[in-house]
Amino acid sequence: KQEVTQIPAALSVPEGENLVLNCSFTDSAIYNLQWFRQDPGKGLTSLLLIQSSQREQTSGRLNASLDKSSGRSTLYIAASQPGDSATYLCAVVNTGGFKTIFGAGTRLFVKA
Amino acid sequence: DTGVSQDPRHKITKRGQNVTFRCDPISEHNRLYWYRQTLGQGPEFLTYFQNEAQLEKSRLLSDRFSAERPKGSFSTLEIQRTEQGDSAMYLCASSLGGGALRETQYFGPGTRLLVL
Repeated sequence: KQEVTQIPAALSVPEGENLVLNCSFTDSAIYNLQWFRQDPGKGLTSLLLIQSSQREQTSGRLNASLDKSSGRSTLYIAASQPGDSATYLCAVVNTGGFKTIFGAGTRLFVKA
Repeated sequence: DTGVSQDPRHKITKRGQNVTFRCDPISEHNRLYWYRQTLGQGPEFLTYFQNEAQLEKSRLLSDRFSAERPKGSFSTLEIQRTEQGDSAMYLCASSLGGGALRETQYFGPGTRLLVL
């Protein structure tokens, strides 16, 4: 049974700092991994999708890496801004189906 | 392209009543997902449609829950005989399908359900 864990659960950093959010999963037979952002009371916004054959994806100040063998993904945010404050969620889709398993998220607060 | 829409945005009901939520995916998106999210947790997968076919269903989806996607367009999620434990945010997402970045899921704003 796939389980997804995100560490830390919460993080507070000063503006401008580079930071790393971690996601681990128990079953390496994944089809893809996605990172999302969620603002309070809102739906999710897709940030990056990494296919199982890829090692990383980049979008602007965001870089996500994937190491299937160790069951880990990281989301790197460069030069953090107060507008980055949100909950960041990672989700995996296993091969052979489309059930998507989410972690509980990392709540990020960037102080001005 | 107006994104994924959900209706209603909020619903308050009394225990034992039936409720129905609607999701309109992005046009031409073949895949549609329903999730349930409670405070402080990530979304929990409920069910998945490929066009009009319901291909996967979580064991969380008890016999009180039913979902449909007639004609492969909009979808409805019905909860019968609601219980207080059903109180949550119900999220819908859609994706184009066909592999690679076409699997990116786009979420609607959610329907917040409160069962009194």
